[in-house]
Amino acid sequence: AQKITQTQPGMFVQEKEAVTLDCTYDTSDPSYGLFWYKQPSSGEMIFLIYQGSYDQQNATEGRYSLNFQKARKSANLVISASQLGDSAMYFCAMRGDANFGNEKLTFGTGTRL
Amino acid sequence: ETGVTQSPTHLIKTRGQQVTLRCSSQSGHNTVSWYQQALGQGPQFIFQYYREEENGRGNFPPRFSGLQFPNYSSELNVNALELDDSALYLCASSPGLAGATETQYFGPGTRLLVL
Repeated sequence: AQKITQTQPGMFVQEKEAVTLDCTYDTSDPSYGLFWYKQPSSGEMIFLIYQGSYDQQNATEGRYSLNFQKARKSANLVISASQLGDSAMYFCAMRGDANFGNEKLTFGTGTRL
Repeated sequence: ETGVTQSPTHLIKTRGQQVTLRCSSQSGHNTVSWYQQALGQGPQFIFQYYREEENGRGNFPPRFSGLQFPNYSSELNVNALELDDSALYLCASSPGLAGATETQYFGPGTRLLVL
């Protein structure tokens, strides 16, 4: 079974500062993908960034970067130069190996920024 | 490129009724997944369709059923609605079964309220 844990129900950050949103995961799949999504109050889940379990380098997408520590099973999202529009719920999610029947995304409980 | 669209945006039903939610995939995507998101929680996987066949199902009862059409659009049907079915229903499309590397792109969701 796959599990995502987000221990920060809410976070506060000042404009222009950086913030780290924590995510730890658990899986027995040999390969997996880790994703972060942003959900504004409108409800739509907006894809932010992806990290593959075999990727050697941490993923970056503009102001978003993913601090991937495989041994610790953590995949923290770092948002740099925060803006007012960053206020939203942020979800960490995992997708396992299709060969093991794990095509679904498993989500954490989210962090409200 | 057209993104994922869902209809209707909001819906109010009464207990025991049936509901059909619709989703149009992003262009070029042949896989659709449905998720239920209760208030204050993360989305929960309902099921996935790949080329018109169910390709995985979460822990939801059989009264939750789906269809995928040849143009890869999809429907989620819920029979005998219960109060706990009140939630945001999200549809996500992806290019195909590329395994763990594949990103799912979500629609705006349908908010269902069961009274």
